[in-house]
Amino acid sequence: AQSVTQLGSHVSVSEGALVLLRCNYSSSVPPYLFWYVQYPNQGLQLLLKYTSAATLVKGINGFEAEFKKSETSFHLTKPSAHMSDAAEYFCAVSDESGGSYIPTFGRGTSLIVHP
Amino acid sequence: GAGVSQSPRYKVAKRGQDVALRCDPISGHVSLFWYQQALGQGPEFLTYFQNEAQLDKSGLPSDRFFAERPEGSVSTLKIQRTQQEDSAVYLCASRPRASGSTEQFFGPGTRLTVL
Repeated sequence: AQSVTQLGSHVSVSEGALVLLRCNYSSSVPPYLFWYVQYPNQGLQLLLKYTSAATLVKGINGFEAEFKKSETSFHLTKPSAHMSDAAEYFCAVSDESGGSYIPTFGRGTSLIVHP
Repeated sequence: GAGVSQSPRYKVAKRGQDVALRCDPISGHVSLFWYQQALGQGPEFLTYFQNEAQLDKSGLPSDRFFAERPEGSVSTLKIQRTQQEDSAVYLCASRPRASGSTEQFFGPGTRLTVL
């Protein structure tokens, strides 16, 4: 069975500050990991994904995430927040348990950016 | 190219009414998923299709929920005798292959409000 825990339902940062959104996963087999962003009244859009290649993954809009197997973590970071980064962020895990690679999503973290 | 589209975008139903939600995936995508997203929550899995075959419907909350994808492209999620607890955003996502290493492409969702 797979699961995702996103610590902190809300994260508030000042514009220009470091963004850190936490994600811990549970998976019985090597996982695929994803971060998605959701803007109001829109669907989810992929930011980046880990598929067992490089452990440091770079995504769109300056975001990156590091896969740490020993910590079962896949935290999302961005060096300098922009106002446009304010949105809901979801971490997801997908593995082959059950054979269908059905992703499981975390509850989401709302990023608030102050001017 | 066209992304995943869903219709209607908004649906208001009286309790007890039947509703049908449509999803047009990206052409050629093998996998199709339906999720239910309650306010302030992450997407919760409902059902999964690989082409026209419904391989997993373990997330459907009751037998009032029914989904189909008869020709392996367009999918319809039907909810019979709607209840207030069915109010949520229903997201559809497609994936080019069955493999979990590829990301999902999400539609904008249908916001269902049951009065």
